[in-house]
Amino acid sequence: KNQVEQSPQSLIILEGKNCTLQCNYTVSPFSNLRWYKQDTGRGPVSLTIMTFSENTKSNGRYTATLDADTKQSSLHITASQLSDSASYICVVTEAGGTSYGKLTFGQGTILTVHP
Amino acid sequence: DAMVIQNPRYQVTQFGKPVTLSCSQTLNHNVMYWYQQKSSQAPKLLFHYYDKDFNNEADTPDNFQSRRPNTSFCFLDIRSPGLGDAAMYLCATRQTGRETQYFGLGTRLLVL
Repeated sequence: KNQVEQSPQSLIILEGKNCTLQCNYTVSPFSNLRWYKQDTGRGPVSLTIMTFSENTKSNGRYTATLDADTKQSSLHITASQLSDSASYICVVTEAGGTSYGKLTFGQGTILTVHP
Repeated sequence: DAMVIQNPRYQVTQFGKPVTLSCSQTLNHNVMYWYQQKSSQAPKLLFHYYDKDFNNEADTPDNFQSRRPNTSFCFLDIRSPGLGDAAMYLCATRQTGRETQYFGLGTRLLVL
């Protein structure tokens, strides 16, 4: 069964500090991995997307890494801001077989940034 | 400009009273999805339309139906909402050949 596991479940950090969120997956065949940010009560917004051949991707203060051999990804947030408080969801897309790119979602990591 | 628009943002209904959630898109994408997301859980795919073809997930309850009258609009009908159907409902779109799904802001459903 395709699964995406995230850790930690929740994280509290002080404003200005860095943090790293983890994602392990068993989805196969693999197409891409995406990190989403979801603010409370709103739909997910894509932060980064990485395919099999990419091992790092940055978007401002967000840097995602991917190790396709070990099926692990991380999202590193630098110099955190209060507005970074949200749920961060790791999502893996299946490749081939189906034409609609089925997504498998992780449970998310709830990040809280305190002043 | 909003690309995937869900209405209403918040919906309150009574136990057993049918409710319809709406999704529209300005992207002209051919694939549209409906997800259910309960508190502190990952979104769960209910069904999707590939053009006009409706695809139901195996574990989606019969209580949930969908209509797609044209490319731009897709509706989620809950025929007899139960307390367990209270959740955030997310609509997403995608164009075949591209992996990105674009999500709306969601409709939060409360069942009294």
